[in-house]
Amino acid sequence: ETGVTQTPRHLVMGMTNKKSLKCEQHLGHNAMYWYKQSAKKPLELMFVYSLEERVENNSVPSRFSPECPNSSHLFLHLHTLQPEDSALYLCASSQVVTRGDTQYFGPGTRLTVL
Amino acid sequence: AQKVTQAQTEISVVEKEDVTLDCVYETRDTTYYLFWYKQPPSGELVFLIRRNSFDEQNEISGRYSWNFQKSTSSFNFTITASQVVDSAVYFCALGSNYGGSQGNLIFGKGTKLSVKP
Repeated sequence: ETGVTQTPRHLVMGMTNKKSLKCEQHLGHNAMYWYKQSAKKPLELMFVYSLEERVENNSVPSRFSPECPNSSHLFLHLHTLQPEDSALYLCASSQVVTRGDTQYFGPGTRLTVL
Repeated sequence: AQKVTQAQTEISVVEKEDVTLDCVYETRDTTYYLFWYKQPPSGELVFLIRRNSFDEQNEISGRYSWNFQKSTSSFNFTITASQVVDSAVYFCALGSNYGGSQGNLIFGKGTKLSVKP
């Protein structure tokens, strides 16, 4: 595997389900990110992790719970989601968390909440 | 305020035409970075270029070229002799100390480019 991988690629869940999105980066980076991309809004940064510590949480509802067990893996745990949470969830990584560091993205998980 | 504006929502061209995608940004930072990403239908954002605020040299990479002008706060992207494979959504992004935190990328809403054979 190379670059940034995400699983699953597609997920359909009910509002009462609990599921997790997984992201893995094979670039030796120290920072990882979760973004939400929905049809009517620009890409929204959700969470930032640097060396496994959360350094950014952009007012994301508590029904989204991130986890970063090591610098290569990032999870997004989902529970009691709403239909408006349906979107493409993108993971990214960069060498460090700075404004100038290039972020490399995974293919995304297309989430549909029924 | 930190903001990226891509005024062109959708552009449609015929193969071999040249096309320019516009990007205008706003920032109070004196040091900042600008990026372009391509998002094909598969969904993955593919990094194309990064430019820092102190380097106004235009850049060319094959059929792609970028024009950075600080005077007009613009970072435009031109595809020469477009091909069907260029069809995608293109995002311009600004890397700055937005809200005091480092590492945020502020994205424009994207321009959807359709290249028809």
